[in-house]
Amino acid sequence: QQQVKQSPQSLIVQKGGISIINCAYENTAFDYFPWYQQFPGKGPALLIAIRPDVSEKKEGRFTISFNKSAKQFSLHIMDSQPGDSATYFCAASQAGGTSYGKLTFGQGTILTVHP
Amino acid sequence: KAGVTQTPRYLIKTRGQQVTLSCSPISGHRSVSWYQQTPGQGLQFLFEYFSETQRNKGNFPGRFSGRQFSNSRSEMNVSTLELGDSALYLCASSLLDQGVAREQYFGPGTRLTVT
Repeated sequence: QQQVKQSPQSLIVQKGGISIINCAYENTAFDYFPWYQQFPGKGPALLIAIRPDVSEKKEGRFTISFNKSAKQFSLHIMDSQPGDSATYFCAASQAGGTSYGKLTFGQGTILTVHP
Repeated sequence: KAGVTQTPRYLIKTRGQQVTLSCSPISGHRSVSWYQQTPGQGLQFLFEYFSETQRNKGNFPGRFSGRQFSNSRSEMNVSTLELGDSALYLCASSLLDQGVAREQYFGPGTRLTVT
């Protein structure tokens, strides 16, 4: 019940296109959903995050869509650029119990944006 | 503001040895979490410390331990190293939102290789 399932495993997009990465969760106690971007040799960098009380959050070219009833959330990267080529991780955490915000990660999506 | 720093960046150890990894959080961040990243298992939570107390621990054997100092710096220790402990060990720091580590900022990691 703690899993977060992420798809696709890899994604190839042309420059200027839209990249879409999807995640699904089972634990309804999750109440915080961040996305991280990781370049080779670097640690994950917090990109954008959403809470279940909103259905969409946009920051620049990055948008999170959240569907509470379906227990799914997705990352949309508009006007994808070669510099966006990286591995993207969705994650989820909950405040309750002894979790204290422990992040449960999806398996990651390797995004390649062709020029 | 300086980011999360981790030392050393790379380590090569032999099976059976022990290792200590260090993490300095972002100034003002008092919560420190540790994660293990491997190609097979992805990103997995090890433990979280706040105010020198371990508040949460992931599903790892007792060979993995950690501590936090009064200046919020943290160390993790792995004893009796096994080949499967080869991984990127990531430290993340966070301010607390009502006692919960929400926005977690990761360091570059320590790449541990066990031979």
